[in-house]
Amino acid sequence: KQEVTQIPAALSVPEGENLVLNCSFTDSAIYNLQWFRQDPGKGLTSLLLIQSSQREQTSGRLNASLDKSSGRSTLYIAASQPGDSATYLCAVRLKEEYGNKLVFGAGTILRVKS
Amino acid sequence: DTEVTQTPKHLVMGMTNKKSLKCEQHMGHRAMYWYKQKAKKPPELMFVYSYEKLSINESVPSRFSPECPNSSLLNLHLHALQPEDSALYLCASSQDPQGSWPQHFGDGTRLSIL
Repeated sequence: KQEVTQIPAALSVPEGENLVLNCSFTDSAIYNLQWFRQDPGKGLTSLLLIQSSQREQTSGRLNASLDKSSGRSTLYIAASQPGDSATYLCAVRLKEEYGNKLVFGAGTILRVKS
Repeated sequence: DTEVTQTPKHLVMGMTNKKSLKCEQHMGHRAMYWYKQKAKKPPELMFVYSYEKLSINESVPSRFSPECPNSSLLNLHLHALQPEDSALYLCASSQDPQGSWPQHFGDGTRLSIL
């Protein structure tokens, strides 16, 4: 059974700091890995998607990496801003033979202080 | 603004009521999903519709009844719910259920059962 773990569970940093969020998964038989952001009481906003054949994806101040063999992904946020405060979720997409569905980690709650 | 629209945003109902949640997307996506999210927990998959046919039911109780009338619309019919069913219900869609496409989420319906 695929399990997704996110570390740390919560993180508080001053504005301007660079930071790294970690995601690990137990089974490398995945289609892709997706990072989401969720604001309180809201739905999920897709940030980055990395296909299983890719190593990294970048969007603005965000960079996500994937090491499928070790079952790890990181989300790097450069020059953090108070508006980045949210819960960040990673999710792996299982291959069809394993159910073809997203399995989420519990999330990292990020607070960026001004 | 999200491209997946969910209505209503909030719903309060008694245990004997019948209500429906609605989800709509006009991106031409052929896979649609219902997730349930309890407070401070990650989303959990409930149902997957692939080309308007139910392809995955994650052993959800029959008091939840999904319906996909057409490729743009997904409903979740609710009847005789329990207080523990109070949660945020999220709808998502993706271009193709078979491929490595990202899932796009709506803002959810906050459901409270009295």
